[in-house]
Parts: sequence; C-alpha cells; structure tokens
Amino acid sequence: DVLMTQTPVSLPVSLGGQVSISCRSSQSLVHSDGNTYLHWYLQKPGQSPQLLIYRVSNRFSGVPDRFSGSGSGTDFTLKISRVEPEDLGVYYCLQSTHFPPTFGGGTKLELK
Amino acid sequence: QVQLQQSGAELAKPGSSVKISCKASGYTFTSYDISWIKQTTGQGLEYIGYINTGSGGTYYNEKFKGKATLTVDKSSSTAFMQLSSLTPEDTAVYYCARGQRGFAYWGQGTLVTVSS
Repeated sequence: DVLMTQTPVSLPVSLGGQVSISCRSSQSLVHSDGNTYLHWYLQKPGQSPQLLIYRVSNRFSGVPDRFSGSGSGTDFTLKISRVEPEDLGVYYCLQSTHFPPTFGGGTKLELK
Repeated sequence: QVQLQQSGAELAKPGSSVKISCKASGYTFTSYDISWIKQTTGQGLEYIGYINTGSGGTYYNEKFKGKATLTVDKSSSTAFMQLSSLTPEDTAVYYCARGQRGFAYWGQGTLVTVSS
C-alpha cells in the first residue's frame, strides 16, 4: 500500500495567520490517466471528514479561497491563509491513485 | 442535497456480527459507488472497500477480506456493510462515502463497540 506521511502532527496557529501542511507519498501519485488523485480533508470534532481540495489543487464547492493545494509526484502541500476559528480540527491527505486508497496520519490545527 | 444517512451505534459481543446501513438520497443512487472507511484513534482512517451500486460488484482492501461484506439494495438506495467474527480491534467508527476515488460526501458515521 502507498504510505502517506503528513507533517507536522500538530500545528499551533494564531487566528489570522498562515500555515502549511505537508503530505508525502511513498510512490508517485500520477495515474496512468494523467490525473493525480491527491485530496485534502478537514475533520472537526464529532464530525465526518469534509472535502476541501480534490486532485491536488481544486477547491470543492463552498470551500473558501483561503485554502489552496499544490504539489506533484510525491510531494504535496495544503496552505491555509488568514486562519479562522472554523478552520481548527484535523487535516488529512488522501491518495486514491493506487488501490487501496490510503490516508495520511493527520495534522491537528490548534490555537497557539 | 446529497445525503448519506447511516444506522445507529452498535454494541456487539466478540465473535458476533453486525450489519450497518447507509441510505442515500439527493442523487441517482446507481450513478456512484459507495465506499466504506474505518476510523480508530490508533490506526487513523483505513479504506475497507467499495461496492458498485449498479452491478453489485465489490472491491475489498486485502486487510478487510473476510471481515467486511458489502451489499446493496437498489430499491431502497441503501448500501450495507456486514462485519463478522468481531474482536475488540473492530471497535471503531465506520463511515460510508460516495465514490471510489474521491469522497465528496460522507455519512455521519456509525460507532461499533465490541465488548463482552
């Protein structure tokens, strides 16, 4: 299975600040169809994960432009600018290029 | 709007089985696969498998073969997952999600607790 390594595990932030989360895969996530199936989710306490970014850099419906995704191959980044209280929670990356899909271990975004 | 409504929490004894349901609404059920995902504090999020809601064809993560059985009832737009031979390691929140490559919509989760 593809190993997804997320860093950092914990990320203290001040409201209004900017943060980056890294996700690295153990093999290239470029699919034979040319797409890269790397996605980002936020899970708030007591809730299901919610899709933020799909296929590296595409914001899901309703996701503010404070969230942006980038990267290629095996190295990906989620950036959050002007952090707001509703952004706090655990962020996960997910690869679905290779089956089975595998998730990163999570990054907890919390107030400094 | 797209909704996936899961059945309620289960308390089961070791060695028994449970069957969780996931009822879809707000879209054409047979147009999307349904995937199942396990979440524990220790192991994080793990992909169990998916079912093609049109054909009933299934794919299982090797780790969950023999543990999970996925079925579907098209007439009620409901997907099911049966977990068998339960052990304490099966204690987790189980989610259904729409699709097999990216999961834009998730159920609210079903807590399964295995305890004697």
